[in-house]
Amino acid sequence: GAGVSQSPSNKVTEKGKDVELRCDPISGHTALYWYRQSLGQGLEFLIYFQGNSAPDKSGLPSDRFSAERTGGSVSTLTIQRTQQEDSAVYLCASSLLHQFNEQFFGPGTRLTVL
Amino acid sequence: GQQVMQIPQYQHVQEGEDFTTYCNSSTTLSNIQWYKQRPGGHPVFLIQLVKSGEVKKQKRLTFQFGEAKKNSSLHITATQTTDVGTYFCAGPGGNKLVFGAGTILRVKS
Repeated sequence: GAGVSQSPSNKVTEKGKDVELRCDPISGHTALYWYRQSLGQGLEFLIYFQGNSAPDKSGLPSDRFSAERTGGSVSTLTIQRTQQEDSAVYLCASSLLHQFNEQFFGPGTRLTVL
Repeated sequence: GQQVMQIPQYQHVQEGEDFTTYCNSSTTLSNIQWYKQRPGGHPVFLIQLVKSGEVKKQKRLTFQFGEAKKNSSLHITATQTTDVGTYFCAGPGGNKLVFGAGTILRVKS
């Protein structure tokens, strides 16, 4: 079946603009995660969804970052008033139920803020 | 909060040499997962270990979970150029997976 998909694959924006990143998880997966990965670095946890609820938003770096998930499926990560330090690859992952299940990652969105 | 530490941060080996990466958690883990990320790619699940002292093998890869369930290792025998990438361990922390910083493996042919 289809894996996790993300769009766009690349996004170049100007400092101060808002961006929206989209994640389509594997059908039937209730858990969805967003991570940020800077060049050559590890995975920085941003937010976790269980269904449409976000029990853990502890990783969101600032109030410029927000995310939602609708219909227990698609999720969007929104970054308002982008800054150059927001430049990174944003990865989405889904798992069947929770953190004890393997996570399936999407290909990521590479965000560049000029 | 829970921390997962990996060493080494980086290793450069000659093709055919062995490679090991180690993972240590600040707390006891119910399970540990390993992922591989190829250069330019995204993390891909390799394996999950659940039992104390568990050892699992996948061809040239051997995974171990410590007796105290606080540490784990991944050993690659006779590395090949296809093994290059970053290897991450991850353990449940609260309601999310806590990832180690990863070990970058480079293989000289």
